[in-house]
Amino acid sequence: QVQLVQSGAEVKKPGDSVKLSCKASGYTFTSHHIHWVRQAPGQGLEWMGIINPDDGGSRYAPIIEGRVTMTRDTSTSTIYMELSSLRSEDTAMYYCGRTLVGLRYCITTSCQIQHWGQGTLVTVSS
Amino acid sequence: EIVLTQSPATLSLSPGERATLSCRASQSVSNYLAWYQHKPGQAPRLLIYDVFTRAIGIPARFSGSGSGTNFTLTISSLEPEDFAVYYCQERNNWLLSFGGGTKVEIK
Repeated sequence: QVQLVQSGAEVKKPGDSVKLSCKASGYTFTSHHIHWVRQAPGQGLEWMGIINPDDGGSRYAPIIEGRVTMTRDTSTSTIYMELSSLRSEDTAMYYCGRTLVGLRYCITTSCQIQHWGQGTLVTVSS
Repeated sequence: EIVLTQSPATLSLSPGERATLSCRASQSVSNYLAWYQHKPGQAPRLLIYDVFTRAIGIPARFSGSGSGTNFTLTISSLEPEDFAVYYCQERNNWLLSFGGGTKVEIK
């Protein structure tokens, strides 16, 4: 079965960077896009970006572009999300999620997220 | 950038009642609209995608409708496990966004 296992909780200071991981199993790693979504305390879901594990191509939400980088390691079936210049507002639960449909179909559907990681809590505090 | 506005922010209903949740887009999203259920301490759960297609394992009491800029999630008869926050999500080219959410709470 599809599993996404995320790295553990992080505590960072303002201005730091954080790099989270999302290890995929139970399917062909390069066959489906991975999204990153976060939820700040008391707030709603915020889409951060998407990566194509096959070619490494990515797109990011405009509000966060410039501070976020998504990469992949096909040898370990792991996706990474690095967020730089951290601020207190980046304190949130971060989720990775795999799309329901395969790579070629994302552009003809909602590109919806079927499978989710367990989440990683990032706390930014001085 | 497309903005999704969900209403109401909170819906207070009793088990057995019908819930109607709205999601309005700032411009047409065609049929690229999904709905998720989110409970505290859990990852979100995909309910509906491409406006009206139920995800695997989702009960028939959940249904989606709409087109263009106006969409609706309907829960025909609320079960105790349905009280949660619901989000709509759209895709525009390779960018996605979520609405602000509707909390369905027990009256």
